[in-house]
Amino acid sequence: ETGVTQSPTHLIKTRGQQVTLRCSSQSGHNTVSWYQQALGQGPQFIFQYYREEENGRGNFPPRFSGLQFPNYSSELNVNALELDDSALYLCASSPNFREQFFGPGTRLTVL
Amino acid sequence: GQQLNQSPQSMFIQEGEDVSMNCTSSSIFNTWLWYKQDPGEGPVLLIALYKAGELTSNGRLTAQFGITRKDSFLNISASIPSDVGIYFCAGPDYGQNFVFGPGTRLSVLP
Repeated sequence: ETGVTQSPTHLIKTRGQQVTLRCSSQSGHNTVSWYQQALGQGPQFIFQYYREEENGRGNFPPRFSGLQFPNYSSELNVNALELDDSALYLCASSPNFREQFFGPGTRLTVL
Repeated sequence: GQQLNQSPQSMFIQEGEDVSMNCTSSSIFNTWLWYKQDPGEGPVLLIALYKAGELTSNGRLTAQFGITRKDSFLNISASIPSDVGIYFCAGPDYGQNFVFGPGTRLSVLP
């Protein structure tokens, strides 16, 4: 059974650019959540997708948007990047809205 | 939203010692999850708790769901070097969305 995978592993962008991060859910999981983890902090919830619809959103501006595809994979898009967007972005999939299983993350650096 | 606090923030222990850490919330939770995160990697689920008073073990790890439903505890027995990492507690904020504590950083000295 393949776990949650994310791509790319690392990414460097400049302020004002746009970025797309990708996530493949664990087999059998229909829910995907995205988190932002700044250095030295716990993950902060961005949003969740269930059956291709947004199912909840944290305290993040609209320039953070997402998609979930029929195969339950997902994308996180961030527009107009700011320096504070530099963080580890984590994707987590779930089979039952209870346990969440995380991918290895994408390290985004904004210069 | 709900807030989680974890204590201690960090701890240094000798290999072979037992470890205790806890997590408290400002409101009642119906689920507690404990994760471990190694540097540069995603959190790994250790233990999930669903009922007040529940005590669950996973090898050398034991976690308990507090009776008040506002706290949870994680114990590690006979620590080994690979226990080094950051331990996070997490619980549902609204709906099925989870809030994480700030973490307890564990260092194991040989």
